[in-house]
Amino acid sequence: GAVVSQHPSRVICKSGTSVKIECRSLDFQATTMFWYRQFPKQSLMLMATSNEGSKATYEQGVEKDKFLINHASLTLSTLTVTSAHPEDSSFYICSATLDSATNEKLFFGSGTQLSVL
Amino acid sequence: QKEVEQDPGPLSVPEGAIVSLNCTYSNSAFQYFMWYRQYSRKGPELLMYTYSSGNKEDGRFTAQVDKSSKYISLFIRDSQPSDSATYLCAMSGLGGYNKLIFGAGTRLAVHP
Repeated sequence: GAVVSQHPSRVICKSGTSVKIECRSLDFQATTMFWYRQFPKQSLMLMATSNEGSKATYEQGVEKDKFLINHASLTLSTLTVTSAHPEDSSFYICSATLDSATNEKLFFGSGTQLSVL
Repeated sequence: QKEVEQDPGPLSVPEGAIVSLNCTYSNSAFQYFMWYRQYSRKGPELLMYTYSSGNKEDGRFTAQVDKSSKYISLFIRDSQPSDSATYLCAMSGLGGYNKLIFGAGTRLAVHP
């Protein structure tokens, strides 16, 4: 089956630093990747849609200057949390689509737990 | 009112029990309905994918969609301890790029 790799799985950083999270589709090319945030006992919330070679589309309320997304190739998208603060602490998950015509071919990474001290 | 409501549980059942998980929604534009299983600190894994109203069965899992009531269910038969996880419902409108709207997830614990 399709595999989406996300790295790192856990990161702890100091307030004010930047953190980069990578999302890779290992065995397929993904023209579109998605980034979500999940707070404890809450649902996954879509942050942005990342299309290869173009600017990401951010959901309402998500600061594009704070959450920088780069989708430079068909197998890699990165999310950089800039000047992280404790309120950015959350579980970040990416997904990649094998077939944009159906959500049935949407595969998720294993997530990154970000803790900002 | 949230677009998708899901009882967070936790739900604790003995091994072998039939589990019923449910979600209600408010947006009549939703056409695609999904159930994901998520183990602690891992990404969601697709269990069931259904379009419009009706039933779909896959092994021990049955998904039901009642669009007239805006209500979806996931049944797990002969539940096993390995089924212990958080179950997320998700739904979307027409087209693959449409945003998935997730429920908050129901934590299920199946004890031996």
